[in-house]
Amino acid sequence: DVKVTQSSRYLVKRTGEKVFLECVQDMDHENMFWYRQDPGLGLRLIYFSYDVKMKEKGDIPEGYSVSREKKERFSLILESASTNQTSMYLCASSPGQGLNTEAFFGQGTRLTVV
Amino acid sequence: AQKITQTQPGMFVQEKEAVTLDCTYDTSDPSYGLFWYKQPSSGEMIFLIYQGSYDQQNATEGRYSLNFQKARKSANLVISASQLGDSAMYFCAMREVSNDYKLSFGAGTTVTVRA
Repeated sequence: DVKVTQSSRYLVKRTGEKVFLECVQDMDHENMFWYRQDPGLGLRLIYFSYDVKMKEKGDIPEGYSVSREKKERFSLILESASTNQTSMYLCASSPGQGLNTEAFFGQGTRLTVV
Repeated sequence: AQKITQTQPGMFVQEKEAVTLDCTYDTSDPSYGLFWYKQPSSGEMIFLIYQGSYDQQNATEGRYSLNFQKARKSANLVISASQLGDSAMYFCAMREVSNDYKLSFGAGTTVTVRA
């Protein structure tokens, strides 16, 4: 089974803190994604990566950065957390590029910024 | 502009009955893929079913079927014989070549199955 693992299920951070959300996949997938999920808005893409050391902005990259130093790991960084970044964060991976390529998701990290 | 529209925020369905979840999409690509995912309260997204824009037949996977109407740009999910374990949030998603094959999601529909 493909496994995508996010380092934390729940996180509480203070405003202004630097926050790292880690994601690891074990199926050698080229593509990795970070989404945030908010009620009524569905999942919105923050950043994605098609290869090691490669990153592309998604639809809502402001306030976030990412790092992909190894193929299996994709980190989301909140440089200075703010309360409007309180959300559920979902990491996903998928193999190659194709219209029918399934994305596999982690269990999600519910981040609260106080 | 919203690429995926799910107009039903929440639905109730009686156990053993069928339920249809609406999804409309917006694309000008000739080729695209449509997905449905289930998200239980545990949070993980579970892939349910896929429909390609050129597929001749509507996709089916067990109790899940997709009512694909290309001209109307709709891809409704039908869950037959609902079970209590079907209570979850359901997301429709689309992948397009013009969008670098990224998955775009709708807002989701919460389904609650009543005993």
